Amino acid sequence: GENVEQHPSTLSVQEGDSAVIKCTYSDSASNYFPWYKQELGKRPQLIIDIRSNVGEKKDQRIAVTLNKTAKHFSLHITETQPEDSAVYFCAARGLGGATNKLIFGTGTLLAVQP
Amino acid sequence: EAQVTQNPRYLITVTGKKLTVTCSQNMNHEYMSWYRQDPGLGLRQIYYSMNVEVTDKGDVPEGYKVSRKEKRNFPLILESPSPNQTSLYFCASSLVAAFRTDTQYFGPGTRLTVL
Repeated sequence: GENVEQHPSTLSVQEGDSAVIKCTYSDSASNYFPWYKQELGKRPQLIIDIRSNVGEKKDQRIAVTLNKTAKHFSLHITETQPEDSAVYFCAARGLGGATNKLIFGTGTLLAVQP
Repeated sequence: EAQVTQNPRYLITVTGKKLTVTCSQNMNHEYMSWYRQDPGLGLRQIYYSMNVEVTDKGDVPEGYKVSRKEKRNFPLILESPSPNQTSLYFCASSLVAAFRTDTQYFGPGTRLTVL
């Protein structure tokens, strides 16, 4: 079945620097890759997603890139701010079995130091 | 307001005492799912439902039951809770259209402690 690996597990950056979180997936048929942000004590919330027919998507300070050949995708946050501090989860959806099944990575704790 | 709600938000119980965590969505979503979140393990799917009366096991279904009698509700049932089911539980829902799915929206979470 699908497996998603996420790195690093923790990331500390200075305010204003960029942060990059990387995920790899195993199912080459995966076609949808969302990223969720979870603040302390809150629910995961979608921040950006990408489908397999595009290679990059941007939304203000965040961007996601997808390399289907290498089966990896990355989240890029530029000009980080303290409010970006949270746990970030990547996920991948395969096409086998349940069409809605998302497999999540284990999360990255991002700490932005003021 | 479009939302997914869960109740209770916090629950402390004892081993073997049956409990139900409710989940409800008002977005007319076909798909609903339960996840548990444990440190270092991310979000793991327990059960999911593609529509009314259609449910299936996720990755960690042991010790759990679900039902989907109505489109808006998807309760999670622990018939005989054990301490290893102490976790943070999230319900989620999304649309299903032409075998493609939309964004999954999460409920606020239920923190369960089994003593």
